[in-house]
Amino acid sequence: NAGVTQTPKFRILKIGQSMTLQCAQDMNHNYMYWYRQDPGMGLKLIYYSVGAGITDKGEVPNGYNVSRSTTEYFPLRLELAAPSQTSVYFCASTNRGSNQPQHFGDGTRLSIL
Amino acid sequence: QKEVEQDPGPLSVPEGAIVSLNCTYSNSAFQYFMWYRQYSRKGPELLMYTYSSGNKEDGRFTAQVDKSSKYISLFIRDSQPSDSATYLCAMSGDTGNQFYFGTGTSLTVIP
Repeated sequence: NAGVTQTPKFRILKIGQSMTLQCAQDMNHNYMYWYRQDPGMGLKLIYYSVGAGITDKGEVPNGYNVSRSTTEYFPLRLELAAPSQTSVYFCASTNRGSNQPQHFGDGTRLSIL
Repeated sequence: QKEVEQDPGPLSVPEGAIVSLNCTYSNSAFQYFMWYRQYSRKGPELLMYTYSSGNKEDGRFTAQVDKSSKYISLFIRDSQPSDSATYLCAMSGDTGNQFYFGTGTSLTVIP
């Protein structure tokens, strides 16, 4: 069972570069989420989606963009990388209509220098 | 005031000890309560999932929810070195699209 798959696992970017963090789930979950996790700060919600074509901002959306064209994929885009975006990024999914818990990927560790 | 409060620790116990991890919350609308275990450089892994008040047991793990006190606990019996990880509590309501997480408690079980 693949579950939630995130790629890449690690990446180093230079300030001002762009990149897309990939997230795919094979559980046919309707809800998907992007979080960032900084040491001692817990998980902060960046964006989420309740279905294909529907996205909404979370607590810390600035500097990020998302799209959800299919149920399976929910990529996160950084347009102009800044040092403050150095973090570990987690994608999660759930079948919210059934009040199910979230399932997480193993994260992307991103450093911006 | 944060929605969910969790003591970050770190917590260090000898192997075989009983561990108690706790979270408090402020939103009385929360109905679903979760505990996740997160090993270093891995994603959070669901350990326990409970609805409303009461206890739930799974092997060495017991989750307790006291909605009247807005307090949840995770107990680990006969703790093992493999239990060394960060434990995150999380919760959500019947409505709404978001989950609310504690900051995590770091646990080390010493052989």
